[in-house]
Amino acid sequence: GQSLEQPSEVTAVEGAIVQINCTYQTSGFYGLSWYQQHDGGAPTFLSYNALDGLEETGRFSSFLSRSDSYGYLLLQELQMKDSASYFCAVGSGSARQLTFGSGTQLTVLP
Amino acid sequence: DAGVIQSPRHEVTEMGQEVTLRCKPISGHNSLFWYRQTMMRGLELLIYFNNNVPIDDSGMPEDRFSAKMPNASFSTLKIQPSEPRDSAVYFCASSLGTSGNEQFFGPGTRLTVL
Repeated sequence: GQSLEQPSEVTAVEGAIVQINCTYQTSGFYGLSWYQQHDGGAPTFLSYNALDGLEETGRFSSFLSRSDSYGYLLLQELQMKDSASYFCAVGSGSARQLTFGSGTQLTVLP
Repeated sequence: DAGVIQSPRHEVTEMGQEVTLRCKPISGHNSLFWYRQTMMRGLELLIYFNNNVPIDDSGMPEDRFSAKMPNASFSTLKIQPSEPRDSAVYFCASSLGTSGNEQFFGPGTRLTVL
């Protein structure tokens, strides 16, 4: 089976940088994804890493180390609108189905 | 594209009643997923379809739950009979099987079973 661990809560101030870590145990690993979910909303895709290294998309970056079964999401220049839950998810299986972590609640303070 | 469409958005029912949730995936997507989200258990995959065929339903909690995908543009998740512990937000998501792990989620159906 699959299991993922990520911190339950992170707090930071506007303009700061925050890193959300994710460690996983899985078989048939395809890649590590990150999703954002605002209260009352649906998860939305942020990034995907299939290979080791850093992927950058605007203010968000994601890193993967397959040998360490570890990844992180880096959020820069934090804005109030970044307050949300962030989920890491591992993909596996023929349809690349996702197993989600329990989520990290990010609170951005003014 | 309108994105993934789910209906109803909210459903309140009484224990023992049948509940049917509906999903229209993004046109052209060949994988469809049903998830359930609760505070206690997080976001759980219930079942997924590839090219309209159920591939893995190991996440379906009990025989009271069933899902169908009669064609590429429609899927249902049925709970019969419903119980209070089924109260949750149910999400449908779709993806292109060859495009990595980007899944597009619908807005969800908030189910309350009294």
